[in-house]
Amino acid sequence: QVQLVESGGGVVQPGGSLRLSCAASGFTFSSHDLYWVRQAPGKGLEWVTFISYDGAKKYYADFVKGRFTISRDNSRNALYIQMTGVTAADTALYFCATSPPGYRYFEFWGQGALVTVSS
Amino acid sequence: SFELTQPPSVSVSPGQTARITCSGDEFPQQFAHWYQQKPGRAPVLVMYKDSLRPSGIPERFSGSSSGTTATLTISGVRAEDEADYYCQSADSSGTSWMFGGGTKLTVL
Repeated sequence: QVQLVESGGGVVQPGGSLRLSCAASGFTFSSHDLYWVRQAPGKGLEWVTFISYDGAKKYYADFVKGRFTISRDNSRNALYIQMTGVTAADTALYFCATSPPGYRYFEFWGQGALVTVSS
Repeated sequence: SFELTQPPSVSVSPGQTARITCSGDEFPQQFAHWYQQKPGRAPVLVMYKDSLRPSGIPERFSGSSSGTTATLTISGVRAEDEADYYCQSADSSGTSWMFGGGTKLTVL
């Protein structure tokens, strides 16, 4: 079955950097677009970033443009997000998610990695 | 960017029908998708492309869309359906995704 497992969360100081990883299994990783979606404590879901199946296309929500970078390694079935210049507003549970090829909804989700920005 | 608007809360008694709406100017050109999220859990897709139900989702869940409003309907609500529900869509350019603010369904 499809599994998405995030790792790398933790406490980071304001202005600092952190990289999250998402290990995938149970599907043909290189055929699927991937996403990061976040949820601040007690708040709703927010789409953060997208990467196409081949890594050629990347899109970002305005609030992370220029600070976060999404990447993937199809040889390792892994998705990443490099977060820099973090602020308290970036404190959230970060989920990786995938969609069926060619579709724009989130079919499978990981359990999330918690990022806390605090001094 | 575009916005999706949901009511913050909906309350129904067991066995009744719950309807959760999602309004957005991108409808009907773009599809609505729906997710259920229970406390401490990851979201689960319960409806996609307005009215299609993923495998494993009970038949009491249905979806529809008319004009600028999409609706998730839960017939014969059960206590286990109590959760937050989010609608989601994508913009016409294919470069941005959006969630509604979420609706807390309370089963009285």
